[in-house]
Amino acid sequence: AQSVAQPEDQVNVAEGNPLTVKCTYSVSGNPYLFWYVQYPNRGLQFLLKYITGDNLVKGSYGFEAEFNKSQTSFHLKKPSALVSDSALYFCAVRGSQTGANNLFFGTGTRLTVIP
Amino acid sequence: DAGVIQSPRHEVTEMGQEVTLRCKPISGHNSLFWYRQTMMRGLELLIYFNNNVPIDDSGMPEDRFSAKMPNASFSTLKIQPSEPRDSAVYFCASSLGSGRAHEQFFGPGTRLTVL
Repeated sequence: AQSVAQPEDQVNVAEGNPLTVKCTYSVSGNPYLFWYVQYPNRGLQFLLKYITGDNLVKGSYGFEAEFNKSQTSFHLKKPSALVSDSALYFCAVRGSQTGANNLFFGTGTRLTVIP
Repeated sequence: DAGVIQSPRHEVTEMGQEVTLRCKPISGHNSLFWYRQTMMRGLELLIYFNNNVPIDDSGMPEDRFSAKMPNASFSTLKIQPSEPRDSAVYFCASSLGSGRAHEQFFGPGTRLTVL
C-alpha cells in the first residue's frame, strides 16, 4: 500500500527565516515523490519531484527537497521564506509497481509566513 | 499553453439535479485525472484515463458518478442525481505520458455546491 504522511497541519515561520514542511512516505519499490502548492481558490501547482539521482532536488520559487531513503522522508525546504509563500502544500508519492500510475497525496500542510 | 481548462468554475444546483463538469487537458497529454477536494477528506482521486481509456475508477464514490473521455481533448464528470454531500471542489489534471515520473498539471477546479 502507498501512503503519505504530512505530520503538521500548520507551519508558521517568520519572513526571512528558513522553512521546512515535512513529509514521510510508504511505498512498494522505488518511490517517485512530488511536492505541489495550492494558493487560495486555485488548482495545485507542481513545485518539484524526485525520481532518481541526487537526493537534493531543486524546484520552482527557490524551493528544494531532500530525499532520505533510510528515513523515508522528502521534506520541503526554503532558505528564506517570503510572505507570498503562504499557501497549502501537498506531498505526493507514486510507487514503482506495475500499474501504480496514480498519485497518493498527503493531507496538506498550511504554511503561514509572518511578516 | 492555456493549461488545463475546466468549466464551469462554479456550479450551484439543487439536490436531485444532474451536474456535468468539463475538462480540456493540455494538448499532447495522454493521461487525465479527476480529483475531488473537501475539508473532511482532503484530495481524493476519483478516476483516471490513459489514452482516453478509463484505467482506474475505484475512487468513484457510487453509481451516481460517471466519467467519459470521448477524445484526447475533452472529458466530463457527471453526477446524477446530485446530493448535498457531493459539494466539493472538483479538479481535473493531465500529464504527459503514463510514466510514473510525469508530474500532473491541475486545472483551476470547479466549486460545486448542491443545495
